Amino acid sequence: DQQVKQNSPSLSVQEGRISILNCDYTNSMFDYFLWYKKYPAEGPTFLISISSIKDKNEDGRFTVFLNKSAKHLSLHIVPSQPGDSAVYFCAASVYQFYFGTGTSLTVIP
Amino acid sequence: DAGVIQSPRHEVTEMGQEVTLRCKPISGHNSLFWYRQTMMRGLELLIYFNNNVPIDDSGMPEDRFSAKMPNASFSTLKIQPSEPRDSAVYFCASRSDAGLAVQETQYFGPGTRLLVL
Repeated sequence: DQQVKQNSPSLSVQEGRISILNCDYTNSMFDYFLWYKKYPAEGPTFLISISSIKDKNEDGRFTVFLNKSAKHLSLHIVPSQPGDSAVYFCAASVYQFYFGTGTSLTVIP
Repeated sequence: DAGVIQSPRHEVTEMGQEVTLRCKPISGHNSLFWYRQTMMRGLELLIYFNNNVPIDDSGMPEDRFSAKMPNASFSTLKIQPSEPRDSAVYFCASRSDAGLAVQETQYFGPGTRLLVL
């Protein structure tokens, strides 16, 4: 059973606008959350993370929000750029990482 | 560092054949992970090694799958016999575990795209 879910398989956003990628999890024991970005024919690369003791972490254009009560994680990209077009995986960890199925983001120039 | 190295990058084989995927983790990393990526299930953890010892293989789908890590710089994932439903991209990842901290990021290899006909 999927403990980490990304319910939107794809998302299209205009360049310069905000991209919001969502992730839900079921295990309340998860204490660390990450977002990975994946380009075609490459392995996923780490993007940003957040510990369960925080509700927000920001790194440049990327911000991750954590709502523990709702068991919900989101990644905001502002402003979106064409180079951000990729598949984004969220992952949650208590001991090992559990990944979602990914959301394919397309940023339209 | 060259990063995590996987070979082959692509593999096409016929049903029933043995397939061996190889991984060289980043030097100094003491944890190694094998994942399978499919459209339906995303990235699934197959097996996790720490200090060359298999810690959790609960994600290995069937007895047809086996993994070894004979030393700190090499791991294999073997499928015997292979079936069409094994077609997927297989990723290897490595991580440096500092004591009890398991929150270090994993570094992924480029993956092996397997097609079983």
